[in-house]
Amino acid sequence: DQQVKQNSPSLSVQEGRISILNCDYTNSMFDYFLWYKKYPAEGPTFLISISSIKDKNEDGRFTVFLNKSAKHLSLHIVPSQPGDSAVYFCAALGGGSQGNLIFGKGTKLSVKP
Amino acid sequence: DAGVTQSPTHLIKTRGQQVTLRCSPKSGHDTVSWYQQALGQGPQFIFQYYEEEERQRGNFPDRFSGHQFPNYSSELNVNALLLGDSALYLCASSLSAALNQPQHFGDGTRLSIL
Repeated sequence: DQQVKQNSPSLSVQEGRISILNCDYTNSMFDYFLWYKKYPAEGPTFLISISSIKDKNEDGRFTVFLNKSAKHLSLHIVPSQPGDSAVYFCAALGGGSQGNLIFGKGTKLSVKP
Repeated sequence: DAGVTQSPTHLIKTRGQQVTLRCSPKSGHDTVSWYQQALGQGPQFIFQYYEEEERQRGNFPDRFSGHQFPNYSSELNVNALLLGDSALYLCASSLSAALNQPQHFGDGTRLSIL
């Protein structure tokens, strides 16, 4: 039973427009959420995170929104650039520990020039 | 500042063999976690090492074992390899004393079982 779900396997966006990647989770004990970006033949690279005490975190073109009541988070990229084309993984961490990250299956983002 | 490094990059083994994968954590990190990523899936947690001991373990059989050395580097050992063990094995490091900090990943070892 998947605790972190990314229901869109792929997303295609025009350069300059907004990309919105979604993630749902089932475990209310999760208190820290992360987004990783992965290019082929490379490991996941940390992008942005959010603690459950916040509902928004911004870093340049990247913003993550957290809706705890809906158990839903989203990553907004604006404006999207061709270099953003990659697989994006949502991950969750629970219990305030350094324990295991629980990942979704990923969403492949393609940004077209 | 060296990031997480893993070796080898690729490995081909046959069923029943044993394999050892290696990981050096990012400078300043003391905790190492191992993940298995099958094709089309997200990474799945195998186990985590801190202070040379296994601190947490995911849902993987005993064929998967590990070790952490005094310099914080780590090894992942898999015995009696099965075809289903073919995957990308990722190592991630973090600083144990820092709560809610991201884990940093290496580029992985691609293991193929024939």
